[in-house]
Amino acid sequence: DIQMTQSPSSLSASVGDTVTITCRSSQRIDIYLNWYQQKPGKAPKALIYAASNLQSGVPSRFSGSGSGTDFTLTITSLQPDDFATYYCHQSYSNPRTFGQGTRVEVK
Amino acid sequence: QVQLVQSGAEVKKPGASVKVSCKASGYTFKNYYMHWVRQAPGQGLEFLGMINPIGSNTNYAQKFEGRVTMTRDMSTDTVYMDLASLTSEDTAVYYCAREGHDWQQLDFWGQGTLVTVTS
Repeated sequence: DIQMTQSPSSLSASVGDTVTITCRSSQRIDIYLNWYQQKPGKAPKALIYAASNLQSGVPSRFSGSGSGTDFTLTITSLQPDDFATYYCHQSYSNPRTFGQGTRVEVK
Repeated sequence: QVQLVQSGAEVKKPGASVKVSCKASGYTFKNYYMHWVRQAPGQGLEFLGMINPIGSNTNYAQKFEGRVTMTRDMSTDTVYMDLASLTSEDTAVYYCAREGHDWQQLDFWGQGTLVTVTS
């Protein structure tokens, strides 16, 4: 199975900050890397697919990059609505696997 | 608009089985794989498996092989996830999620179904 490792597990930030979350896969996955946002009590929401493509309707302050084994999610000018938990997810091979999540909290 | 509507919360005893449904609308059901993902309280996301509505081909995570069964009903655009031999460790929110084309991202999610296993 491909293991996905996110860092950090949590971070504290303020509105207007730029936040970067990293995700590393245990094997090369090309760009089959997706990011999701989850708020408490809600289903995950798709943010980015294929490492750097924004899902329809997602604000442009979200961006993704990377290929192979190392990926990043960047949120520029953090907004109040962005405080949530973020998960990376590989869709390269079965079983699909997720990172453990990164919680973005209010500083 | 794409919608995935899941069945309601369940409370089960250890050893029992649970069947969760996910009704799709707003798109051509047969053209998209459906995944099942679960989330234990305070934990991350875990893949259980996926089903291709055409032909009902399935791919289950090894951890759940022999205990999970995914089926679909083409007449109602509904997929089902049946999990047997429940233990307290199966207490979780279970989500269905549609797999997008090209890059297999999970582009739409159901609202989740809480399954509680308790004696």
